[in-house]
Amino acid sequence: GDSVTQMEGPVTLSEEAFLTINCTYTATGYPSLFWYVQYPGEGLQLLLKATKADDKGSNKGFEATYRKETTSFHLEKGSVQVSDSAVYFCALPYYNQGGKLIFGQGTELSVKP
Amino acid sequence: EPEVTQTPSHQVTQMGQEVILRCVPISNHLYFYWYRQILGQKVEFLVSFYNNEISEKSEIFDDQFSVERPDGSNFTLKIRSTKLEDSAMYFCASSEAEGPPLYFGPGTRLLVL
Repeated sequence: GDSVTQMEGPVTLSEEAFLTINCTYTATGYPSLFWYVQYPGEGLQLLLKATKADDKGSNKGFEATYRKETTSFHLEKGSVQVSDSAVYFCALPYYNQGGKLIFGQGTELSVKP
Repeated sequence: EPEVTQTPSHQVTQMGQEVILRCVPISNHLYFYWYRQILGQKVEFLVSFYNNEISEKSEIFDDQFSVERPDGSNFTLKIRSTKLEDSAMYFCASSEAEGPPLYFGPGTRLLVL
């Protein structure tokens, strides 16, 4: 069945370091792909999305490219800040099931000054 | 920017008691959802709701759960007889069209004692 796998955390980086959080998926068809972020004590916020192969989603300095050939949607940021400390979730919709999203297990990022 | 709101932010209840979690979706959205996240686990889909009826539900969403849109703005999740394993963060979400992007509320943390 459809699934999402993320790299395990926690990931600890120093400020201004380069970030990659890996996400791979298995899916029926070619669904849109999403990254959500959960800051401490808050809910899930949509960070970025890509709707088709080779699309690059970007927001707040984060980027992710929809790679059909490797079934991946890795999240990257060139220079992280302490304020980026959060849990990041990769997600995709179940095939033909609207708003039913499958989430990865989440990757906790901790950025130290 | 419009956002989904949820009340209460925290709820503590005794096992066997009924709880109602409340949500106010974004005003022009037509599709509503509940998800939950047990501590340390993945975010899981519970139910989707459209046009005053359930459109999709997971196996988690058994007879002890119900959803309702009692008026033009609120969307509620009722758990009739809570169990210890219902302790989780419950997220409400809404979307303008069927399917993503979904916009999530900040969550209600439910603790069943």
